[in-house]
Amino acid sequence: DGGITQSPKYLFRKEGQNVTLSCEQNLNHDAMYWYRQDPGQGLRLIYYSQIVNDFQKGDIAEGYSVSREKKESFPLTVTSAQKNPTAFYLCASSREREGPQFFGPGTRLTVL
Amino acid sequence: EDKVVQSPLSLVVHEGDTVTLNCSYEVTNFRSLLWYKQEKKAPTFLFMLTSSGIEKKSGRLSSILDKKELFSILNITATQTGDSAIYLCAVRFLMETSGSRLTFGEGTQLTVNP
Repeated sequence: DGGITQSPKYLFRKEGQNVTLSCEQNLNHDAMYWYRQDPGQGLRLIYYSQIVNDFQKGDIAEGYSVSREKKESFPLTVTSAQKNPTAFYLCASSREREGPQFFGPGTRLTVL
Repeated sequence: EDKVVQSPLSLVVHEGDTVTLNCSYEVTNFRSLLWYKQEKKAPTFLFMLTSSGIEKKSGRLSSILDKKELFSILNITATQTGDSAIYLCAVRFLMETSGSRLTFGEGTQLTVNP
């Protein structure tokens, strides 16, 4: 089955720890994206990558880092510098830069 | 600043009702407008609109874009309880140096009661 997978589904972290959220797609899409969703709010763009080995900051990149070493994978690291990391994180991909984005199932991160 | 505003933020209807969800935007270098449905986790893609006045339709859902007045509507006829979800509007615009990206509105929480 083609699709976007994210892991883990739920993640608990202590304050001061870095964590990495996984995002993999086998759709052969060039572009990949990371969003954050807080309760009652829309999606806010953290980072995006239009092509392998290249990525750009979105609106709320502070405290996050990404890499794009392979077309299929776009992991997101939430660092200890992110002041309020508890949120629902969604990864998406699109075939073309201007095509519709398709989303993974999300990871819910809770900082204890 | 680029902005996407959805209204209403919340809506409760009875099964069989028709609803209209609104999305207005202010962006430079507009490229397209997209609608998504989010039930519990991942938003699922509904429509992508690029031209004014051309209605896109899928079953009981339809959507249209007005690029002059900078808004779109999403209509759902004969609503069912399965239509209960958050409906997200997103606008794609060109960035000066790095391709294009989406900006999302806050979403409309639709609840359909039996």
